[in-house]
Amino acid sequence: GAVVSQHPSWVICKSGTSVKIECRSLDFQATTMFWYRQFPKQSLMLMATSNEGSKATYEQGVEKDKFLINHASLTLSTLTVTSAHPEDSSFYICSARDYLRTSGGSTDTQYFGPGTRLTVL
Amino acid sequence: AQKVTQAQTEISVVEKEDVTLDCVYETRDTTYYLFWYKQPPSGELVFLIRRNSFDEQNEISGRYSWNFQKSTSSFNFTITASQVVDSAVYFCALSEATQGGSEKLVFGKGTKLTVNP
Repeated sequence: GAVVSQHPSWVICKSGTSVKIECRSLDFQATTMFWYRQFPKQSLMLMATSNEGSKATYEQGVEKDKFLINHASLTLSTLTVTSAHPEDSSFYICSARDYLRTSGGSTDTQYFGPGTRLTVL
Repeated sequence: AQKVTQAQTEISVVEKEDVTLDCVYETRDTTYYLFWYKQPPSGELVFLIRRNSFDEQNEISGRYSWNFQKSTSSFNFTITASQVVDSAVYFCALSEATQGGSEKLVFGKGTKLTVNP
């Protein structure tokens, strides 16, 4: 099945530093990847849609200068949390869209990475 | 706007009991997709099922089954003979087409299932 990896799985950093999180689709190409944020005991909140070779589309209320997204290839998207602060501490999850068109139809499913737990001190 | 409601916040059952997780959705789209994902304590979301809005057939996969009813906008998930390993948070999600042509998911708030031995 489709596998998505994230690195690192957890990170602790000091306030004011920047943190980069990588999301990779391991066995399929993903023109579209998504970045979510999840607070404890809450649902996933979509932050942005990342399209390969173009600018990311951010959801309302998400600061694009704070959360930099780069989708440089069909298998890699990165999220950089710039000048991180304690309120940015959260669980960040990426997903990759696996779209396959066949003679019998098409399938379009998001597969999720294992998540990255960010703690900003 | 798209919306997914999972009214059950937490459910606790004893092993071998059957349990149904409810999901009700709202959408104006005529074509849409519904999903269920499982999130165990490790945090990774595991894909369970994807259902096209035109396909109302119920689906069974082992101990899992799904009941899709367009008339009531529901897509309920039943686990038969539950096991401790089924303990997780389960999310129902609805796809929403974006301007770029891709789809983004709107998630419900999740239902935490605890299966006790």
